[in-house]
Amino acid sequence: GENVEQHPSTLSVQEGDSAVIKCTYSDSASNYFPWYKQELGKRPQLIIDIRSNVGEKKDQRIAVTLNKTAKHFSLHITETQPEDSAVYFCAGINTNAGKSTFGDGTTLTVKP
Amino acid sequence: GAGVSQSPRYKVAKRGQDVALRCDPISGHVSLFWYQQALGQGPEFLTYFQNEAQLDKSGLPSDRFFAERPEGSVSTLKIQRTQQEDSAVYLCASSLTMGGTEAFFGQGTRLTVV
Repeated sequence: GENVEQHPSTLSVQEGDSAVIKCTYSDSASNYFPWYKQELGKRPQLIIDIRSNVGEKKDQRIAVTLNKTAKHFSLHITETQPEDSAVYFCAGINTNAGKSTFGDGTTLTVKP
Repeated sequence: GAGVSQSPRYKVAKRGQDVALRCDPISGHVSLFWYQQALGQGPEFLTYFQNEAQLDKSGLPSDRFFAERPEGSVSTLKIQRTQQEDSAVYLCASSLTMGGTEAFFGQGTRLTVV
């Protein structure tokens, strides 16, 4: 089955700095890669996603890159703000089978 | 409805008790997923429905776990004879697409087995 590894498990940055979270996946059948933000006690919320036929996607301060050959994808947050502090999860999904595998999460802390 | 709704928000069950967790997906959403989230970990896939059909139940931990979505809308996750290791947050997510892209999560049910 699919295995998704996420690094780092914790990340602390100064406000205004950039943050990068990386994930690797094992199943070449995975073709959709969403990123979710989960604040303490709240539901995961989709912040950005990328499909396997795209190499990069950007939405304001957030971007995701995908390297299909190496089977890894990354979340980039620029100009971080304290409200970006949360746990971020990546996932690898095979949309043909509806099978999803999440990483173990990265706790991002943005210090003011 | 405004989003995916789960009930109850919190459930305390005595070991050996049966529980039923409900998920109301966004109206019209085809795909529905159940996940188990342990403290400090990512959501772990349990099962997947496309309309009323349960296409994948490979993530259900044991035969004590059962899920249904009889009319292709509301879904129920049932756990029989609960055990302490079943304590976790159970999340439901729904998606407009058959493959489960752009899925929206519910707020989860926190199950504590004592």
